[in-house]
Amino acid sequence: DAKTTQPTSMDCAEGRAANLPCNHSTISGNEYVYWYRQIHSQGPQYIIHGLKNNETNEMASLIITEDRKSSTLILPHATLRDTAVYYCIVGGTGTASKLTFGTGTRLQVTL
Amino acid sequence: NAGVMQNPRHLVRRRGQEARLRCSPMKGHSHVYWYRQLPEEGLKFMVYLQKENIIDESGMPKERFSAEFPKEGPSILRIQQVVRGDSAAYFCASSWDSPMNTEAFFGQGTRLTVV
Repeated sequence: DAKTTQPTSMDCAEGRAANLPCNHSTISGNEYVYWYRQIHSQGPQYIIHGLKNNETNEMASLIITEDRKSSTLILPHATLRDTAVYYCIVGGTGTASKLTFGTGTRLQVTL
Repeated sequence: NAGVMQNPRHLVRRRGQEARLRCSPMKGHSHVYWYRQLPEEGLKFMVYLQKENIIDESGMPKERFSAEFPKEGPSILRIQQVVRGDSAAYFCASSWDSPMNTEAFFGQGTRLTVV
């Protein structure tokens, strides 16, 4: 699986959009980009995934660059409950659950 | 539909004892995955099982660790002769049996402390 690079930590004011970047320059053509988050030692929670096109669901939006070497997770209106470690993971369908977690980005949402 | 259930939530074992961690997948899920998380680190894949079969155990330590997912009952991660370095949070995830599956559902974990 391709390696990902994320900033160690980020801050965001409550109510503002949180934009979490991820670099995955060695991604191969059939590999998906997944985002999970882990809130204070709980089990990780799936957020969103994508292959080429931008994706949106009730939790977030995923923007993937045209060359697929980087992506951005967008939480449109961050709340205090979004404070968590966010993991960007690259892998292939069918092995989606054999996930290679890095150290992620620790997002702190503040008042 | 209950989520992935792990028990116990906390487990304390003395060095040399055995630890048995249980994971009941979500209803209808036939794939189970175990991960280990050391303090201040990300999760590390250990093993992937389908009913009665080990599919991928590339992340499992070669000794003292074993996993099973019987036809009936929960998946079990077993650690024999535990050592202090085994202290960690162990997470189980499950998913559907589908080639298009792209989402894993995680339990709340078992926190193992070896004293």
